[in-house]
Amino acid sequence: GAGVSQSPSNKVTEKGKDVELRCDPISGHTALYWYRQSLGQGLEFLIYFQGNSAPDKSGLPSDRFSAERTGGSVSTLTIQRTQQEDSAVYLCASSLAGLSNEQYFGPGTRLTVT
Amino acid sequence: TQLLEQSPQFLSIQEGENLTVYCNSSSVFSSLQWYRQEPGEGPVLLVTVVTGGEVKKLKRLTFQFGDARKDSSLHITAAQPGDTGLYLCAGESSAGNNRKLIWGLGTSLAVNP
Repeated sequence: GAGVSQSPSNKVTEKGKDVELRCDPISGHTALYWYRQSLGQGLEFLIYFQGNSAPDKSGLPSDRFSAERTGGSVSTLTIQRTQQEDSAVYLCASSLAGLSNEQYFGPGTRLTVT
Repeated sequence: TQLLEQSPQFLSIQEGENLTVYCNSSSVFSSLQWYRQEPGEGPVLLVTVVTGGEVKKLKRLTFQFGDARKDSSLHITAAQPGDTGLYLCAGESSAGNNRKLIWGLGTSLAVNP
């Protein structure tokens, strides 16, 4: 597809369960970002992948959060032992990471932890 | 720590009015981007400003980058209900190779018919 896609669009899970969120970036984009957004709020940076470099994990809120990017393309964000405070929209963005770091976002995954 | 402050946080106006939203920092940015986000969707890039003092126009939207590249403004003329959304600014640091953007918390705009 032409844009960034994310799946699932909505996820409802019980507290304590693990979830996996998927992001398919724009083909050829070497940079990939995960963000978290609470209702009506700005973006909270989680993790950043750039090519084959080690990812910048400085935004991950706890060790329950992890992400991987396979083959420089698709990325999966995993949240283990989910808590109610993990409820939010998780956004993925990709970028050419050239001179201008313009980011293209997917529609997000709305996670609700009950 | 680099911060971007956006103001106002919320704005509700009538169709046809003009408005300006601000994005301010004490830090210098090599570039600054403005995004609009509609409910249920991801942010969409509106414009990137790079040069201090730069002004860019996108139809009824006028973006300005401060001379010192520390602040920016977005002015909307004759606002329409379709302008409703969350306006986010994001700055790219002048230093280092880290390509993370610094994000403001956004201005939530509602344009009433």
